[in-house]
Amino acid sequence: EAQVTQNPRYLITVTGKKLTVTCSQNMNHEYMSWYRQDPGLGLRQIYYSMNVEVTDKGDVPEGYKVSRKEKRNFPLILESPSPNQTSLYFCATRGKGGSTDTQYFGPGTRLTVL
Amino acid sequence: GESVGLHLPTLSVQEGDNSIINCAYSNSASDYFIWYKQESGKGPQFIIDIRSNMDKRQGQRVTVLLNKTVKHLSLQIAATQPGDSAVYFCAETYNTDKLIFGTGTRLQVFP
Repeated sequence: EAQVTQNPRYLITVTGKKLTVTCSQNMNHEYMSWYRQDPGLGLRQIYYSMNVEVTDKGDVPEGYKVSRKEKRNFPLILESPSPNQTSLYFCATRGKGGSTDTQYFGPGTRLTVL
Repeated sequence: GESVGLHLPTLSVQEGDNSIINCAYSNSASDYFIWYKQESGKGPQFIIDIRSNMDKRQGQRVTVLLNKTVKHLSLQIAATQPGDSAVYFCAETYNTDKLIFGTGTRLQVFP
C-alpha cells in the first residue's frame, strides 16, 4: 500500500528546543516536500526536494532545515522552534511526472511551541 | 481529529443533494488545477484534476468545471453523502513544480 508516514503525529515543545519531524515514503518517489497549514492561509510550502541530496526553499523556509540523504526519508528540522511555528505540518511526495503527477500527503503532525 | 481552520467558508447540504464548491484562482497563466479533499485528522487527498485546455471533467460522482475567463473553478458532488463531509481545497500550477493552494471550503452533510 502506498504510504507516507510522519512522526510524531502530535508534539508539544518549548521555545528553543531542537526537534525533528520525520517523513518516510514507500513509493520510491523522487520528489518530496513539506507544507505547513494555518487557519486562513491554506497550505504553504516550506522546503522541497527533487531527489537525494537536492533540496530547495519553498515559500516559507525561515526557521526550518531539511535533509535528503536517502530517497525514502525527508526529515524536517526545527533548530530553535518559536511559537510562530505552531502549526499543522504535512509531508508530501510525488512521482516523476512533475506538478501534474498526483501528490500524496502524509497524515500530518500537529506541533505546538510554547 | 485535526481541524484545518476555524474560519473557513462552510457549505451545508442535505444528504442526497448536489454540492457545488467554488474556487477563484489567482494566476491567469495557470494551466493545471486540482481539487483535494481533507478529512479530519488526515492529509489532503487527490479527488480530480483538469488542464486549462478543458472546461469540464467528470469523475465518479464529481465534476470539475473551469472558467478561464473569470478564473473560476468549481467542484460539483452529486448525491452528497455523509462521507463527503470534509474540507475541500483547490490548487493551481503554471508550468512549474509548485502548487498554489486555496484556503479551503468546509462541506457539512446533514441527514
